Amino acid sequence: QLQVVESGGGVVRPGRSLTLSCAASEFNFKSYGMHWIRQAPGRGLEWVAGVSYDGGTKDYADSVKGRFLISRDNSKNKMFLQMNGLRPDDTAVYYCAKAMTTVTTVALDPWGQGTLVTVSS
Amino acid sequence: IVMTQSPLSLPVTPGEPASISCRSSQSLLHNNGQNYLNWYLQKPGQSPQLLIYFGSNRASGVPDRFSGSGSGTHFTLKISRVEAGDVGVYYCMQALQTPLTFGGGTKVDI
Repeated sequence: QLQVVESGGGVVRPGRSLTLSCAASEFNFKSYGMHWIRQAPGRGLEWVAGVSYDGGTKDYADSVKGRFLISRDNSKNKMFLQMNGLRPDDTAVYYCAKAMTTVTTVALDPWGQGTLVTVSS
Repeated sequence: IVMTQSPLSLPVTPGEPASISCRSSQSLLHNNGQNYLNWYLQKPGQSPQLLIYFGSNRASGVPDRFSGSGSGTHFTLKISRVEAGDVGVYYCMQALQTPLTFGGGTKVDI
């Protein structure tokens, strides 16, 4: 069935880097934009970054701009989030999600199960 | 775009209706005539799932007990008859422009 699966989370020291992966299956990955969304413990949802179907357009939340890099490899049906200069307030479950339609991001569907990133000394 | 939901918490009774409000700081009406407003439900221990897109279109597999309405800056999610499995946190989200932004969430419990 159509799904996206995140991996790469873990515990990391402040200031260090971590790269998350999102593997897609059962849909034409190269035709859809993809997004990362995070949820700090006990908090709401925060959009982090998005990438267009071909990787040509990338957008970031102000809170991560200049520190995080979103990318994708359409030959491998994967999306990535390289997180540099991590801070304790980056601690969250990170979800990847597929844009519902091919032209624009009308909605996010489906979402993965999430991967936990903990930034702590 | 700032998204504001109310109420923060909503106690419900099975079989009774429920309603959640979402307001945006600017109009979500696209020039194609669609409102770029989604509703998601995050059940306990799960990832969010899409319920409604374009303000009023139910996503695949979503029961017709759920309905979305509104236009511009004011939107409403209604559950005609709440079931026990509807508990969780409901979020509205605007998809008109990046950064995509979410409301703070409404916790629905029995």
